[in-house]
Amino acid sequence: GAGVSQTPSNKVTEKGKYVELRCDPISGHTALYWYRQSLGQGPEFLIYFQGTGAADDSGLPNDRFFAVRPEGSVSTLKIQRTERGDSAVYLCASSLTGPSDEQYFGPGTRLTVT
Amino acid sequence: AQSVTQPDIHITVSEGASLELRCNYSYGATPYLFWYVQSPGQGLQLLLKYFSGDTLVQGIKGFEAEFKRSQSSFNLRKPSVHWSDAAEYFCAVATTSGTYKYIFGTGTRLKVLA
Repeated sequence: GAGVSQTPSNKVTEKGKYVELRCDPISGHTALYWYRQSLGQGPEFLIYFQGTGAADDSGLPNDRFFAVRPEGSVSTLKIQRTERGDSAVYLCASSLTGPSDEQYFGPGTRLTVT
Repeated sequence: AQSVTQPDIHITVSEGASLELRCNYSYGATPYLFWYVQSPGQGLQLLLKYFSGDTLVQGIKGFEAEFKRSQSSFNLRKPSVHWSDAAEYFCAVATTSGTYKYIFGTGTRLKVLA
């Protein structure tokens, strides 16, 4: 079956611009997670959705970052006024019911802010 | 605060040799424990997980890991490494109570010599 997909695979944007990153989870998975992975680091948790609601958004670094999952499936991570420090690979994962389940990761979106 | 430490940034082994990757965690209770592998250009893939019960867990690709509560460790092992095992390996912990936390270590990059 289809795995987690993320679009775009690469995004280059100028400092100060707005970007949206999309995640399409595995069908039927109620839990969805966003992570950010910088070079040489492990994934850093950003936000976790249970259905349509954010169960935990404590990892979002500041109010420039926002994520939605309006219908409980596709999720969009939105970054306003991008900064060079936002450059990273943004990973999305989904799991069947929650954090105790195996998370299936997408290939990531590489964001470069110039 | 919860944390995960992978003390070895790089490890090099010869093909056919045994492997042990170290992982230590800090958490007030027994967390859920995971090992993931990330190959170049590939998404993170779960190798194995520990929730409870038998402290020696078997995973895919011939990997196993042992949970040692007294040492707060969850080391990954493989008796005979194959060249295709060259990748980056991440240990992760998920909290089992309170606010959701899913924390990755910084990773260990494995190089396999022919």
